[in-house]
Amino acid sequence: GAVVSQHPSWVICKSGTSVKIECRSLDFQATTMFWYRQFPKQSLMLMATSNEGSKATYEQGVEKDKFLINHASLTLSTLTVTSAHPEDSSFYICAGDKNTEAFFGQGTRLTVV
Amino acid sequence: AQRVTQPEKLLSVFKGAPVELKCNYSYSGSPELFWYVQYSRQRLQLLLRHISRESIKGFTADLNKGETSFHLKKPFAQEEDSAMYYCALSGSARQLTFGSGTQLTVLP
Repeated sequence: GAVVSQHPSWVICKSGTSVKIECRSLDFQATTMFWYRQFPKQSLMLMATSNEGSKATYEQGVEKDKFLINHASLTLSTLTVTSAHPEDSSFYICAGDKNTEAFFGQGTRLTVV
Repeated sequence: AQRVTQPEKLLSVFKGAPVELKCNYSYSGSPELFWYVQYSRQRLQLLLRHISRESIKGFTADLNKGETSFHLKKPFAQEEDSAMYYCALSGSARQLTFGSGTQLTVLP
């Protein structure tokens, strides 16, 4: 298999601040990483696809200026939630692509108060 | 557009009984279908993919292009099979589209 690690596992932040979530592929190089959002008792919704060294591709309805994605290396992608609001509270999950198989991080629970 | 439908949010069966989790998809091209499982307090992990045609933990799934289905089956459910199961589709862009998930509970 392959291991993807997300950090932090949970974070609480004040409304209006920014939060950065890291997604690392520990034992493989991920040229492509995916960011998902999951609301309680709902499915995973793809937010964006990030490719190392290029701009992320955002899904329709996802604000790219609010959810900044950086994929500067083959083992690290970051998602920054800017000017967070309570409605941004959710579970964010990343996945690294290895040989067309997605390996998921453990997720980050974001709570905006 | 690609879409995955899992009609059952909750499914309960008794230990030893057969179980089938339904999945239907919509995609104009040739999709790749997956089943992912999430055990309690664990991350999402791949259970099986249609191209490998493997049986994992006794589970099998056959892609039926005529019915656009990819149902997950196991002849004899075990208590440790209790988990959340997601059907997913990957199109040409390799992005996974997930169904809404089915929570399977295997009763003793």
